[in-house]
Amino acid sequence: DTAVSQTPKYLVTQMGNDKSIKCEQNLGHDTMYWYKQDSKKFLKIMFSYNNKELIINETVPNRFSPKSPDKAHLNLHINSLELGDSAVYFCASSRIRDSGANVLTFGAGSRLTVL
Amino acid sequence: EDQVTQSPEALRLQEGESSSLNCSYTVSGLRGLFWYRQDPGKGPEFLFTLYSAGEEKEKERLKATLTKKESFLHITAPKPEDSATYLCAVPGAAGNKLTFGGGTRVLVKP
Repeated sequence: DTAVSQTPKYLVTQMGNDKSIKCEQNLGHDTMYWYKQDSKKFLKIMFSYNNKELIINETVPNRFSPKSPDKAHLNLHINSLELGDSAVYFCASSRIRDSGANVLTFGAGSRLTVL
Repeated sequence: EDQVTQSPEALRLQEGESSSLNCSYTVSGLRGLFWYRQDPGKGPEFLFTLYSAGEEKEKERLKATLTKKESFLHITAPKPEDSATYLCAVPGAAGNKLTFGGGTRVLVKP
């Protein structure tokens, strides 16, 4: 009964390939996110969706395309992979609150290695 | 743009040796400050939210405090199971975008 689950956990691929990472949450949250954690462990937001609508789109190459088929799922597709895309990608979810900040629940991460 | 800086980058402690981690932040208006714990190979796990200067929260051997410019995470009499990376973060204006610091990697040796 994992709250936020990501697949695959590990992904090793060649430069130029296209790959996808899937995320699902069973917490009933209405907002989902993709974060990237680089080799120096900095966590940076990439995208956020609220009820399937894109609400945050940071400066990310357009080779990265998120898709949210419903509010429980957020997938990340990456085209033409480059060496610099190697990182751990975390999916997270939260419930938008009327006041106060939102507590994010994170998945276990998907480690992408581009050779 | 919101900025979060954590220090030290790494901390080695003997079991029982108390210490503090620092998180300094620059934001246009504080809408809360989060502390997360991250174990190797796992995602960050929520610990605390602090909203106003002077606020304190505790959980087992951890206590988080907040001032107008920084937050501290105090670890009292740590045990080896407290070994982890501790991350602090501040939310953006809409409350749904967290800016994280680089983390403090804590190792507690028995």
